Amino acid sequence: GQNIDQPTEMTATEGAIVQINCTYQTSGFNGLFWYQQHAGEAPTFLSYNVLDGLEEKGRFSSFLSRSKGYSYLLLKELQMKDSASYLCAVYRAGSYQLTFGKGTKLSVIP
Amino acid sequence: GEEVAQTPKHLVRGEGQKAKLYCAPIKGHSYVFWYQQVLKNEFKFLISFQNENVFDETGMPKERFSAKCLPNSPCSLEIQATKLEDSAVYFCASSQSERTGQAGYTFGSGTRLTVV
Repeated sequence: GQNIDQPTEMTATEGAIVQINCTYQTSGFNGLFWYQQHAGEAPTFLSYNVLDGLEEKGRFSSFLSRSKGYSYLLLKELQMKDSASYLCAVYRAGSYQLTFGKGTKLSVIP
Repeated sequence: GEEVAQTPKHLVRGEGQKAKLYCAPIKGHSYVFWYQQVLKNEFKFLISFQNENVFDETGMPKERFSAKCLPNSPCSLEIQATKLEDSAVYFCASSQSERTGQAGYTFGSGTRLTVV
């Protein structure tokens, strides 16, 4: 089976940096996605990591350590519009489906 | 088009009634996935298609749920005899290949099903 853990909620201040962690246990790991989901809307793709290391895309970066079963999403220069749920999802080889964590609800405060 | 179109946006059904949801994937995308999102953000995989063929149906409650992707028609997800616990947002996603790579899936905006 698969087990994906991430914090339920986080709060951070506008302009600050926040790191959202995700740990996973799975067989046949083939990549990890981060999605952003605003309330009542569809998830939107943020990043995909398949190799160890840091992927940077503007204000958002994502890190993966396959040996540790660990990833994080780093959001810099937080803006109010970054208030959303952030979903970690594991892509498992052979199944072609994503298994999602329960999401981290991020609240950005002034 | 460049978006995954799901209809209807909202659907209310009495317990025991049938519900049918539709999804038009992005043109050129061969793979379609259905997910169920209940409260607390829990996503559950239901079924995937490669063109009109079922690719993976390990998540489907087969006794009441069925799905199709027919040529030249939107894909559909049908729930016979809905139950209260079927209340959820049903998301459809499409991708060019089973290896989603850098693009990830593209999700539709979802259909919110409320069973009363």
